[in-house]
Amino acid sequence: GNSVTQMEGPVTLSEEAFLTINCTYTATGYPSLFWYVQYPGEGLQLLLKATKADDKGSNKGFEATYRKETTSFHLEKGSVQVSDSAVYFCALSGGGSNYKLTFGKGTLLTVNP
Amino acid sequence: ETGVTQSPTHLIKTRGQQVTLRCSSQSGHNTVSWYQQALGQGPQFIFQYYREEENGRGNFPPRFSGLQFPNYSSELNVNALELDDSALYLCASSLAGGDEQFFGPGTRLTVL
Repeated sequence: GNSVTQMEGPVTLSEEAFLTINCTYTATGYPSLFWYVQYPGEGLQLLLKATKADDKGSNKGFEATYRKETTSFHLEKGSVQVSDSAVYFCALSGGGSNYKLTFGKGTLLTVNP
Repeated sequence: ETGVTQSPTHLIKTRGQQVTLRCSSQSGHNTVSWYQQALGQGPQFIFQYYREEENGRGNFPPRFSGLQFPNYSSELNVNALELDDSALYLCASSLAGGDEQFFGPGTRLTVL
């Protein structure tokens, strides 16, 4: 079945540092890939997505490229801010009739001033 | 445009009881999915509803059941609550055939 493995945290960075959170996946066919963010006490917000190989999703300075050859979708940001502190989830949608999302375990990011 | 809403925000139940959680989908969305998020874990797919019928189910026992109403809102019912059912329950809405899901704030269920 489908699965997502992401770098486990916690990750602690200083403001303006470079961020990478690794994510690899296992899936049949051609899944869509997502990064969701969860702020304390809140639900999930879609951060970015990519629907086919070599697509780059981007939003709010975050980027991730769909790499089919390495089955990866690593999240990057060039300069993090304190307000980026949250839990980040990598997920895939395997298509089919219900497009259910399969999530990784999440990575807690803390950015210090 | 109204986003996904869920009620209640928090709930405390005792083992063996039954619980009903509610979700209103985002305006225009006709598909609702439910997820269970245990503490420190990623969300796990419970089931999805489309046109008032279950359209896919994850690895959850039959005591987890749901409904979808003509206005696309949905309920999640859990019978015979167990301690391990303590979690954040997330509802997500989407358009049929669309892979982008929009999540509500969740209901935090505690089973004592």
